[in-house]
Amino acid sequence: GQQVMQIPQYQHVQEGEDFTTYCNSSTTLSNIQWYKQRPGGHPVFLIQLVKSGEVKKQKRLTFQFGEAKKNSSLHITATQTTDVGTYFCAGPGSQGNLIFGKGTKLSVKP
Amino acid sequence: DTAVSQTPKYLVTQMGNDKSIKCEQNLGHDTMYWYKQDSKKFLKIMFSYNNKELIINETVPNRFSPKSPDKAHLNLHINSLELGDSAVYFCASRPGLADLYEQYFGPGTRLTVT
Repeated sequence: GQQVMQIPQYQHVQEGEDFTTYCNSSTTLSNIQWYKQRPGGHPVFLIQLVKSGEVKKQKRLTFQFGEAKKNSSLHITATQTTDVGTYFCAGPGSQGNLIFGKGTKLSVKP
Repeated sequence: DTAVSQTPKYLVTQMGNDKSIKCEQNLGHDTMYWYKQDSKKFLKIMFSYNNKELIINETVPNRFSPKSPDKAHLNLHINSLELGDSAVYFCASRPGLADLYEQYFGPGTRLTVT
């Protein structure tokens, strides 16, 4: 069935270091969405990418959608302690649902 | 102002009991979901409803039964609770079934079965 793989599962960085999480789909996606879940919180929508090769930025966060629309990445420049949490990518499923990756849990050491 | 709300936020109960979790969204969305998040943070979809109609019913034990009295509400009833049911349960909603819609999650219900 349709799958969305995400790596790494965990990432520990020193504050100020960069961080990247990668997402791969077994099928071509019409779009990909990214969510952030703070510790003890719920997933919150960050952004959606639709076009092949699209790059979007939100302050220190850079999101990319691959040319083949099967992979995506989220890169955070100069991490801060406020970036701590689990980042999920999600692609559309066949029944009006989202297929979530397993998430990358980011911890930042001050 | 709360978009997607769930009650209760915490639920501690003993094995064998029956419990319910309620979810309401005031966004006017047509589609609602239940997810289970385990300790490893995996988000596993359980059910989805669109305009009160069941769309997705994943391989979930029959002890779990969703009910959507109207499109703003989706409740989850769990019979004969087991230790393995301990998790955080998230309700979520979307405007509809189209691919481009983002999803709004409730705050979660942390269920602990002892």
